[in-house]
Amino acid sequence: EVRLLESGGDLVQPGGSLRLSCAASGFTFSTYAMTWVRQAPGKGLEWVSSISHTATNTYYIDSVKGRFTISRDNFKNTLYLHMTSLRAEDTAMYYCATEPADNYYFDYWGQGTLLTVSS
Amino acid sequence: QSALTQPASVSGSPGQSITISCTGSSNDVGSYNLVSWYQQHPGKAPKFLIYEVTKRPSGVSNRFSGSKSGNTASLTISGLEAEDEADYYCCSYAGSNTLYVMFGGGTKLTVL
Repeated sequence: EVRLLESGGDLVQPGGSLRLSCAASGFTFSTYAMTWVRQAPGKGLEWVSSISHTATNTYYIDSVKGRFTISRDNFKNTLYLHMTSLRAEDTAMYYCATEPADNYYFDYWGQGTLLTVSS
Repeated sequence: QSALTQPASVSGSPGQSITISCTGSSNDVGSYNLVSWYQQHPGKAPKFLIYEVTKRPSGVSNRFSGSKSGNTASLTISGLEAEDEADYYCCSYAGSNTLYVMFGGGTKLTVL
């Protein structure tokens, strides 16, 4: 059974930093691209960042470029999102998701971890 | 680039069929068969329903089907059931060097 478990969400002050993690199990992690999608309270889904299965390629939405860094450890079966210079508008539930074969769809999702940016 | 356009809400009675539209542009939906659909119940993670416009993953009911015409993709749910009441999101490859994929704004389905 595929399982994705996000962690690391917290209450952070504006300008602060945080690292989210997504522990994966039940599939061959190293063969899947991975993605972070966020959802602000009461709002829709927003793609944030993706990373290829070998970590060779990374992609970011413009609003987080230069502030967020996606990475992965294929030995630990874990995906990360390192976030800096956090803003109130980054407040959201952050989901990690699997992307088979770089096909631009997301077949398994975690339950999410909540980031709140507020003073 | 803007998000894909979906109706804010649709409704139908049990047993009926409904269709949710997802309008993009010739740069994304219109040029690539890379549209996917997701269902999200309140407080839950999204669930994968459809990929590459029309394909349904194993385990997803055949009451869910996808199609595309021009720059608009559609999700049809036939034989509506109470459990189908949820939010639905489309997603497309963005066809851009600056954006990977984009989601629609979401559609709230109410089963009357």
